[in-house]
Amino acid sequence: DAGVTQSPTHLIKTRGQQVTLRCSPKSGHDTVSWYQQALGQGPQFIFQYYEEEERQRGNFPDRFSGHQFPNYSSELNVNALLLGDSALYLCASSTGGEQYFGPGTRLTVT
Amino acid sequence: AQSVTQPDIHITVSEGASLELRCNYSYGATPYLFWYVQSPGQGLQLLLKYFSGDTLVQGIKGFEAEFKRSQSSFNLRKPSVHWSDAAEYFCAVSPTGTGADGLTFGKGTHLIIQP
Repeated sequence: DAGVTQSPTHLIKTRGQQVTLRCSPKSGHDTVSWYQQALGQGPQFIFQYYEEEERQRGNFPDRFSGHQFPNYSSELNVNALLLGDSALYLCASSTGGEQYFGPGTRLTVT
Repeated sequence: AQSVTQPDIHITVSEGASLELRCNYSYGATPYLFWYVQSPGQGLQLLLKYFSGDTLVQGIKGFEAEFKRSQSSFNLRKPSVHWSDAAEYFCAVSPTGTGADGLTFGKGTHLIIQP
């Protein structure tokens, strides 16, 4: 049984560009949450998707948006990238219980 | 709003020695508490969770944690650490245990194991 998978593993973008990160949840999970983990910090909750709708959102600007597909996979989009967006982006999936995390996508903004 | 404080940024322990990592939370109602471990280049792995009932919870890899409501604490313990325990440890809190809420994490404690 495959766990949570994320792509790509690493990504380098230039300030002002846009980026899309992808997440496939663990089999049987219908809820996907996204977190941003800056270097030396704990993960911070960005938002959560359930039934293709954004159910909850953390304290992140509208430049951060997402989508969930009918197969429960999800995308995180970040527009107008800033240097401060450089971080590890973690996806977690769940279905009425604990959240299972993927390995993350390391985004570097130059 | 809930918050989590992990007072120790780094902790160094000799292999075979006991370990205690501290976690204090701030939340108005009964919290759902978690400890996660993150090894270099890896995602987060759940060690244990507290939802209700017995305040001493057992987790994987020989870890346990004790919930103390009076001290707003949920400290992680292990009687004898192994070199493979070297990693980053995060305490987290959630309003529910259903996975329907975002987790609030502490800043983490970096565990170093001395031979």
